[in-house]
Amino acid sequence: GQNIDQPTEMTATEGAIVQINCTYQTSGFNGLFWYQQHAGEAPTFLSYNVLDGLEEKGRFSSFLSRSKGYSYLLLKELQMKDSASYLCAVRDRGRGSTLGRLYFGRGTQLTVWP
Amino acid sequence: DVKVTQSSRYLVKRTGEKVFLECVQDMDHENMFWYRQDPGLGLRLIYFSYDVKMKEKGDIPEGYSVSREKKERFSLILESASTNQTSMYLCASSTLLGSPYEQYFGPGTRLTVT
Repeated sequence: GQNIDQPTEMTATEGAIVQINCTYQTSGFNGLFWYQQHAGEAPTFLSYNVLDGLEEKGRFSSFLSRSKGYSYLLLKELQMKDSASYLCAVRDRGRGSTLGRLYFGRGTQLTVWP
Repeated sequence: DVKVTQSSRYLVKRTGEKVFLECVQDMDHENMFWYRQDPGLGLRLIYFSYDVKMKEKGDIPEGYSVSREKKERFSLILESASTNQTSMYLCASSTLLGSPYEQYFGPGTRLTVT
């Protein structure tokens, strides 16, 4: 199995920068995903890291350190619409039939205040 | 755009009823997944399928079964619904072709068992 840990809740103000951390333990790492989920809606894909380093996509960036079992999602210039749950998910190598299976953390509920 | 649809957004069933939740994807994806999402517990995998007529248990398969007779459709069956199966059920699909193989989610079915 997997052990994925992320904070339960975070708050920040509009225009600020927030970093959401995720630590994981896995028997065979094969990629880390971040998803965003607004209340009552389906999760939507934000970012993917499989190699160490930073991936930037507009206001959102995601970082990975495989040796430390650590990732973070960085949100810049926060907007009210960024209030949502952010889910960290790890894919392990598995065997052929389980390629693509993700293990999700419990999510970090981010509240952005005006 | 990938589209994953689920048969109902809201469903109310009685204890002991047999319940069918349907999921359809339109992108010819090989993998399909059923999750349940509960407050504080995050997304938990019930079953997944990597091909027609193929299925594998996830982390919480007890009380559920699945059916995949066609590539685009994946059904979740509650053989005898119980109150502890009241939850949000999310279907997802992903392809084995083309990194990063992210999962696309349907809108979810909120099931209440009374």
